[in-house]
Amino acid sequence: GQQVMQIPQYQHVQEGEDFTTYCNSSTTLSNIQWYKQRPGGHPVFLIQLVKSGEVKKQKRLTFQFGEAKKNSSLHITATQTTDVGTYFCAGRVDSNYQLIWGAGTKLIIKP
Amino acid sequence: DTGVSQDPRHKITKRGQNVTFRCDPISEHNRLYWYRQTLGQGPEFLTYFQNEAQLEKSRLLSDRFSAERPKGSFSTLEIQRTEQGDSAMYLCASSLHLKTGELFFGEGSRLTVL
Repeated sequence: GQQVMQIPQYQHVQEGEDFTTYCNSSTTLSNIQWYKQRPGGHPVFLIQLVKSGEVKKQKRLTFQFGEAKKNSSLHITATQTTDVGTYFCAGRVDSNYQLIWGAGTKLIIKP
Repeated sequence: DTGVSQDPRHKITKRGQNVTFRCDPISEHNRLYWYRQTLGQGPEFLTYFQNEAQLEKSRLLSDRFSAERPKGSFSTLEIQRTEQGDSAMYLCASSLHLKTGELFFGEGSRLTVL
């Protein structure tokens, strides 16, 4: 079946270091969304990417959608404690299909 | 508050009992989704409604699970004869079927089956 693989499962960083999470789909996606879930919270929508090769920025967050529309990444520059949480990608094969969720990457700031 | 609300937030029950969760979506949203999430995993799709019509149900969903959205507004998710494996966070989300398709999640209902 259709799958979205997300790596790594965890990433420990020092505050101020960068963080990157990657998603790969077994099939071409029509679009991909990114969500953030704080510890004990619910997923909150960050962004949607639709176009091949699309790059979008939100302050320190950079989102990319691959040329083949089968992979995507989220990069956070100079992490802060407020960035702690789990970041999920969720892709859609077709607008009539459900989102296929990655397992998430948990961002942990080292004490 | 115009967000998605879920009730109850926590439910502890004994194996074999029935439980029902309620979701009130954002009022103008015509799509409503139920997901299940266990620790360390992403949300797992259960079912979704467009207005009052249940358009899709996960093939993984047991017959013990049923959902309704009788008037196209709030929805209920019922689990009959609960099992310990049903313990999870049950998330409701709503969306407006526009080009963005972003989901707005509620805080979730945490189920613990003893």
